[in-house]
Amino acid sequence: ETGVTQTPRHLVMGMTNKKSLKCEQHLGHNAMYWYKQSAKKPLELMFVYSLEERVENNSVPSRFSPECPNSSHLFLHLHTLQPEDSALYLCASSQSRGALTDTQYFGPGTRLTVL
Amino acid sequence: AQSVTQPDIHITVSEGASLELRCNYSYGATPYLFWYVQSPGQGLQLLLKYFSGDTLVQGIKGFEAEFKRSQSSFNLRKPSVHWSDAAEYFCAVGPYNTDKLIFGTGTRLQVFP
Repeated sequence: ETGVTQTPRHLVMGMTNKKSLKCEQHLGHNAMYWYKQSAKKPLELMFVYSLEERVENNSVPSRFSPECPNSSHLFLHLHTLQPEDSALYLCASSQSRGALTDTQYFGPGTRLTVL
Repeated sequence: AQSVTQPDIHITVSEGASLELRCNYSYGATPYLFWYVQSPGQGLQLLLKYFSGDTLVQGIKGFEAEFKRSQSSFNLRKPSVHWSDAAEYFCAVGPYNTDKLIFGTGTRLQVFP
């Protein structure tokens, strides 16, 4: 257990559905991240939040919409996804951002399948 | 542009054998370097990291890595592999003062008894 939980662990959705992924960290960290892990591709950083403010959007399509209501929770809202969006979505947190000396702690991920 | 190369997609070793996983990076200055492990169904766990100083870094679970500037490498080693080490291993580079980790494509380690 890393102190970062993600729900659901598995999600299957159609291209017209709207769903949300949830991440919660119990570490008192101030920065949270969404990553996408596709088969045979490097892990891709999607979004970075620091103190509930989005500080980086790594050219992610608008069908992915993040939300950070407080420093412990991070959501990824999904709508009108494409089959190529099927992947493992990982959440991570760290004490602060902008300094890689702060270790990122990862959750177990949500395995998303888009039909 | 920064990049990370893990040339071995899949490695198979016998339990008790030594292990070396290769990682090469491309970056203009000395980067921050990381190794993460991902067990099946789990998120990534940090094994070790290098920022500066001693080029031989000790990590958790008996792993170590050596930074070689001349070769732009940061290879991960373990003297004796255990069956529980079977997992996927990721090398990552982080430019200074940014939280943007750049990951390699990973090396899947299989351990035979």
